[in-house]
Amino acid sequence: AQSVSQHNHHVILSEAASLELGCNYSYGGTVNLFWYVQYPGQHLQLLLKYFSGDPLVKGIKGFEAEFIKSKFSFNLRKPSVQWSDTAEYFCAGISSNTGKLIFGQGTTLQVKP
Amino acid sequence: DGGITQSPKYLFRKEGQNVTLSCEQNLNHDAMYWYRQDPGQGLRLIYYSQIVNDFQKGDIAEGYSVSREKKESFPLTVTSAQKNPTAFYLCASRPTGAKNIQYFGAGTRLSVL
Repeated sequence: AQSVSQHNHHVILSEAASLELGCNYSYGGTVNLFWYVQYPGQHLQLLLKYFSGDPLVKGIKGFEAEFIKSKFSFNLRKPSVQWSDTAEYFCAGISSNTGKLIFGQGTTLQVKP
Repeated sequence: DGGITQSPKYLFRKEGQNVTLSCEQNLNHDAMYWYRQDPGQGLRLIYYSQIVNDFQKGDIAEGYSVSREKKESFPLTVTSAQKNPTAFYLCASRPTGAKNIQYFGAGTRLSVL
């Protein structure tokens, strides 16, 4: 079955700590992968996306993600988090076979000042 | 302002009642989607529509109905058959040829009285 899974459901970090949120996908065909962020009380926003080309993609607010095909992974990273990064993060993928966007379970990130 | 507007922001449903959630977009997007967000489960696809007058069931369509009479509008009805309607509902839209990037509304939180 096609799925996207996120390993961490709740992460607590102190400011300036480094962040890595795991995401794995399990489906075939052309892979398009996304990270969305939902700040408290706000819209779901696109952080970054991977369609093809350079597997290391840069997003907004200093976030980046690396597509590793051999590991079926698309982990989100940020070298130094800020209190304002407190939010829920969703990994999502879409398979060209079905055309549907599939979301992971989400990871709640809490950054302590 | 261009964007996706969901209304109301909060909605309460009585037992046995049908309620309709509004989703309007002025972005001229062809495809529209409805998701349900529950804690720890990410976003799950309820219904989607690729073009006017056509829509498809998503992964959890039971107890829901939609219509797509106009390109701009994709209302979702939560029927009395949906036994666990309490959730956060998100509408999204996608332009043709946008490589599957979906843009989200602010959401409607539905609770049962």
